[in-house]
Amino acid sequence: EVQLVESGGGLVQPGGSLRLSCEASGFTFSSYYMGWVRQAPGKGLEWVANINQGGSEENYVDSVKGRFTISRVNAKNSLYLQMNSLRAEDTAVYYCARAGANWGSRWYYDLWGRGTLVTVSS
Amino acid sequence: DIQLTQSPSFLSASVGDRVTITCRASQGISSYLAWYQQKPGIAPKLLIYAASTLQSGVPSSFSGSGSGTEFTLTISSLQPEDFATYYCQQLNSYPFTFGPGTKVDIK
Repeated sequence: EVQLVESGGGLVQPGGSLRLSCEASGFTFSSYYMGWVRQAPGKGLEWVANINQGGSEENYVDSVKGRFTISRVNAKNSLYLQMNSLRAEDTAVYYCARAGANWGSRWYYDLWGRGTLVTVSS
Repeated sequence: DIQLTQSPSFLSASVGDRVTITCRASQGISSYLAWYQQKPGIAPKLLIYAASTLQSGVPSSFSGSGSGTEFTLTISSLQPEDFATYYCQQLNSYPFTFGPGTKVDIK
């Protein structure tokens, strides 16, 4: 079955760290850009970061630059998001997404995980 | 960063209605736009990409159009399962911003 499964969410204190994981199955993980998108409780979607197939290109939204790091291990079909110096405003459900629908030079997020909740609170 | 606005932010409609949602970009984004549907507690689902390409498995009642700065998502005949929140996303340049969403509710 083609799917993405996130893990690693939980409650963390402000200033703390957390590492999210996303395990892919049912497709050739190494062939796709991958990304993280988050959604604060009751709010809209926010694109967080993405990474290219080989892991050599990373892009981030400004609000997480210098604090979050996206990475992947293709041999393990896994995507990661290392989150440091967490703030209350980072509280959200974090979705892992595959960029698999292609048109021109852009890849659109066609497969999403169920998400993992990160709560930053003292 | 490119800002996206959506109108309306809330829409009340009946089964069978034709519904149109507009997404406007703060600068030209060619056709690098996607539409997603999200239901409460569930991950978003890709409906349309490249402004007008229907994602595999999505009903043909959904269609998208536009280029540059103005885009529309149309549902030709609203079905009970279509009541949800709809988001546009631009992939012209980083960061890949989303619009604020349009909630489609039952009249």
